[in-house]
Amino acid sequence: AQSVTQLGSHVSVSEGALVLLRCNYSSSVPPYLFWYVQYPNQGLQLLLKYTTGATLVKGINGFEAEFKKSETSFHLTKPSAHMSDAAEYFCAVIQNTGGFKTIFGAGTRLFVKA
Amino acid sequence: GAGVSQSPRYKVAKRGQDVALRCDPISGHVSLFWYQQALGQGPEFLTYFQNEAQLDKSGLPSDRFFAERPEGSVSTLKIQRTQQEDSAVYLCASSLARHPYEQYFGPGTRLTVT
Repeated sequence: AQSVTQLGSHVSVSEGALVLLRCNYSSSVPPYLFWYVQYPNQGLQLLLKYTTGATLVKGINGFEAEFKKSETSFHLTKPSAHMSDAAEYFCAVIQNTGGFKTIFGAGTRLFVKA
Repeated sequence: GAGVSQSPRYKVAKRGQDVALRCDPISGHVSLFWYQQALGQGPEFLTYFQNEAQLDKSGLPSDRFFAERPEGSVSTLKIQRTQQEDSAVYLCASSLARHPYEQYFGPGTRLTVT
């Protein structure tokens, strides 16, 4: 069975500092991987995805993530945090077997200090 | 253009009541997903439609939960005899056939069962 683990339910960074949100997955086959952001009282918005090809993927708002098969990881990074990045971030996987069932992690709330 | 819309945005039900939650996907999106998001948790997959066909309902927690999409557009999630543990935000998402993994989420319906 697939699972997604996000290390750290809360992460706090200073404005301008590096953002690193960790995600590890367990899957019997290499999955498709996603990061979503959720602002208060809103639905989720896709930040970036990995399906095939280049393992370093770039998304919206300056975020990027790298798929590392050997580490079963898909950590999200941004070189310089902005106040507007404060939100809840979810890592998610879809098993690459033809279905569309998406498994989400528990989420990491990012706080950005001025 | 218009995004995914859900109604009502908030619903309070007494335990034992039936509720119906509506999702209007983005026009032309053939895939539609329902998720349940408990407080402080990531979304959990409930069910998935392609057009009017319900292809995966493995996430529905009990036979009190029922989803339909009779004309391949609007979908309704029905919960019969609501229980307190049904209190959650119910999210709907839709996607295009050619980009099935790029899900667009609605704002959700917050259900509170008292």
